[in-house]
Amino acid sequence: GENVEQHPSTLSVQEGDSAVIKCTYSDSASNYFPWYKQELGKRPQLIIDIRSNVGEKKDQRIAVTLNKTAKHFSLHITETQPEDSAVYFCAASLSGNTPLVFGKGTRLSVIA
Amino acid sequence: DAGVIQSPRHEVTEMGQEVTLRCKPISGHNSLFWYRQTMMRGLELLIYFNNNVPIDDSGMPEDRFSAKMPNASFSTLKIQPSEPRDSAVYFCASSLDRGGGEQYFGPGTRLTVT
Repeated sequence: GENVEQHPSTLSVQEGDSAVIKCTYSDSASNYFPWYKQELGKRPQLIIDIRSNVGEKKDQRIAVTLNKTAKHFSLHITETQPEDSAVYFCAASLSGNTPLVFGKGTRLSVIA
Repeated sequence: DAGVIQSPRHEVTEMGQEVTLRCKPISGHNSLFWYRQTMMRGLELLIYFNNNVPIDDSGMPEDRFSAKMPNASFSTLKIQPSEPRDSAVYFCASSLDRGGGEQYFGPGTRLTVT
């Protein structure tokens, strides 16, 4: 089955700097790669996703890149703000409406 | 439009008791997922339904766990008997086959078994 590795497990950045979180997956059949943000005590919230027919996708300060050949994808957050502090999870699945396999999460701290 | 609704939000019970968690998916969504989150294991799938039919229950840890989806707007996850190691946050998520199929999570039920 699918296995998703995520790193780093913790990341501290200064406000205004960029943050990058990387994930690798094992199943070449996976075609859908979402990213979720989870604040303490809250639900995971979908922030951006990418599908295998796209190499890069951007939404304001957030971007995701996908390299299907190498089986890795990354989340980039630019101009970080304190409210970006949270745990971020990457995931992979065959398609959007099939079960997600999650990475272990990255705890991002943005220091003002 | 209401998102995924889960109840109860918190549940504290004693070992050996039956626990029932409830989920109402987003109206119109036809896939429903139960995930469990723990510090040790992270977020993992327990079971998922498509059009009210269980498709994959390989994540259900043992026979003490069961799940049903009697109609398109309601699902239950039952643990009987409960054990301390079942303590976790249980999330329900739903998605729509058409379009992107993005999964949206409910607020979760924090279960504590003493």
